[in-house]
Amino acid sequence: AQSVTQPDIHITVSEGASLELRCNYSYGATPYLFWYVQSPGQGLQLLLKYFSGDTLVQGIKGFEAEFKRSQSSFNLRKPSVHWSDAAEYFCAVGASGGSYIPTFGRGTSLIVHP
Amino acid sequence: NAGVTQTPKFQVLKTGQSMTLQCAQDMNHEYMSWYRQDPGMGLRLIHYSVGAGITDQGEVPNGYNVSRSTTEDFPLRLLSAAPSQTSVYFCASSPAGAKNIQYFGAGTRLSVL
Repeated sequence: AQSVTQPDIHITVSEGASLELRCNYSYGATPYLFWYVQSPGQGLQLLLKYFSGDTLVQGIKGFEAEFKRSQSSFNLRKPSVHWSDAAEYFCAVGASGGSYIPTFGRGTSLIVHP
Repeated sequence: NAGVTQTPKFQVLKTGQSMTLQCAQDMNHEYMSWYRQDPGMGLRLIHYSVGAGITDQGEVPNGYNVSRSTTEDFPLRLLSAAPSQTSVYFCASSPAGAKNIQYFGAGTRLSVL
């Protein structure tokens, strides 16, 4: 079975600073990887996904993520954070065989200071 | 352009009461699932369905029942509510296959007193 670890419960950055949210996964085969964002009081929305090919993927709202197989990581990055990026971010892994439902990490809460 | 619709948005129950959380999607998605979200615990899968008439348990199924009589609807039933079921509940749907993203409803915030 697959699993996901998001080591940081909270991350605080200043507006305009760069951001990196960490995600480590465990899965024996090629994983399908996702990042979702949850704004306060809302459901989750997909930011980006990785299935295969280029290990650097671009998403919405200026976010990108890099898949590193050797480190079992899929970290989310943004060069310059905006106050509206304050939200909960979830990494998820889907199995390329077997389970049809992705497994979510516990989430990282992003706080943006003006 | 409704997507995934959850009702109600808020609910307060007394211990021992029963209720059904409704979830409907209009995208003809095969897969549907229910999650609960608790502080520090992320999203935990309760039950899921890969098609009408097919359901299976997730990580935390105890105290919850589901059925899937149509492609569109996937209600979640609390048989005898307990304070431990106080949570935010999310329904999601996706097309068949692990590569497909999930579309989430706005959630139901449930308090059990």
